Amino acid sequence: EILLTQSPGTLSLSPGERATLSCRASQSVTSHYLGWYQQKPGQAPRLLIYDTSSRATGIPDRFSGSGSGTDFTLTISRLEPEDFAVYYCQQYGHALTFGGGTKVEIK
Amino acid sequence: QVQLVQSGAEVKEPGASVKVSCEASGYTFTSYFVHWVRQAPGQGLEWMGLINPSDSTTIYAPRLQGRVTMTRDTSTGTVYMELTSLRSEDTAVYYCARKRLYDQALDYWGQGTLVTVSS
Repeated sequence: EILLTQSPGTLSLSPGERATLSCRASQSVTSHYLGWYQQKPGQAPRLLIYDTSSRATGIPDRFSGSGSGTDFTLTISRLEPEDFAVYYCQQYGHALTFGGGTKVEIK
Repeated sequence: QVQLVQSGAEVKEPGASVKVSCEASGYTFTSYFVHWVRQAPGQGLEWMGLINPSDSTTIYAPRLQGRVTMTRDTSTGTVYMELTSLRSEDTAVYYCARKRLYDQALDYWGQGTLVTVSS
């Protein structure tokens, strides 16, 4: 099973700032199979990024994904008030796994 | 529009079983795999398994193998997840989610079903 480690656990930033979230895999991940999700309290996760760097339908272009092999990054170029949430990375190899999440909170 | 609508909250005693439904609409039911993911209170996301509604093929997470069963009813466009021998650690919100056609991302999610295991 591929383990995903997200860092930092919590990111304290102000609106307008840039957020950089990391996702590291225990072994190489096929880029086609790396995604990112946003989750707000009491809501289901929402797909942001698929195939490492492709934005899902309706996702604003301030969200971008990059990476390869074992290191992947989600970048939010300028935080909007609605972006404060928990973010999860996800991969699918033989099984699907999620990272532990990064909480982006208002500083 | 694509929708996944799940059944309502459940309260079960330890040792019992629970069966959660997920009714799909707005797309061709048999063309898209459905995954189940759960989230314990205050915790992260845990993958439980998937079902191919076309032929009922399933893959389960190893740690749940033997306790989880996923089925589907093509006449109603509904998938089901049954979990047996419930324990307190199974208390969680359970989500169904549709897998995108050509990659492994989950693009539509149900609203979640809270299952509480308590005596």
